[in-house]
Amino acid sequence: GAVVSQHPSWVICKSGTSVKIECRSLDFQATTMFWYRQFPKQSLMLMATSNEGSKATYEQGVEKDKFLINHASLTLSTLTVTSAHPEDSSFYICSARSEGGKLFFGSGTQLSVL
Amino acid sequence: EDKVVQSPLSLVVHEGDTVTLNCSYEVTNFRSLLWYKQEKKAPTFLFMLTSSGIEKKSGRLSSILDKKELFSILNITATQTGDSAVYLCAVPSSGGGADGLTFGKGTHLIIQP
Repeated sequence: GAVVSQHPSWVICKSGTSVKIECRSLDFQATTMFWYRQFPKQSLMLMATSNEGSKATYEQGVEKDKFLINHASLTLSTLTVTSAHPEDSSFYICSARSEGGKLFFGSGTQLSVL
Repeated sequence: EDKVVQSPLSLVVHEGDTVTLNCSYEVTNFRSLLWYKQEKKAPTFLFMLTSSGIEKKSGRLSSILDKKELFSILNITATQTGDSAVYLCAVPSSGGGADGLTFGKGTHLIIQP
């Protein structure tokens, strides 16, 4: 079946630094990828829709200058958390839509900002 | 604004029991309802429902949709400890195009031996 690889699986960083998370579709091309955030005991919340070759679409309340999304190829989208702060500590997960329309999730990235 | 509400939020049962998880939704433009199982990190797909009254079944899991009453249930029979997970219900966002999913908070299911 289709596989979505997300890297790193966990990261610890200092406050004020930037962190990049990669999401790759390994055996299919994904023109659209999605980034979600999940706080403890909360649901997955859609942050943004990443479109290959164009700007990402951000959900209301998500700062586009803080969460930079780049979808430079049909198999790779990256999320960069700029100037991370402790309140950005969360579980970030991507999903990719296959040509058939099915959604596949990455394994997620646990971000801890000290 | 799309809304998905799941109940119960948590449930503890013994192995062998049958459980029913509930999901109600409010969406402007309904297309489908999806169920996922989240064990450790990545949600894994269980079912996609688009039509009312048609049960989807996979082993001990089954699900059905009621588009009139705007809800779905997920049944698990003869539960096993491996069924312990968070079960998520989601609907595609009402906006057109390739919008993402709106998730409920999930039901945290614990199966005790």
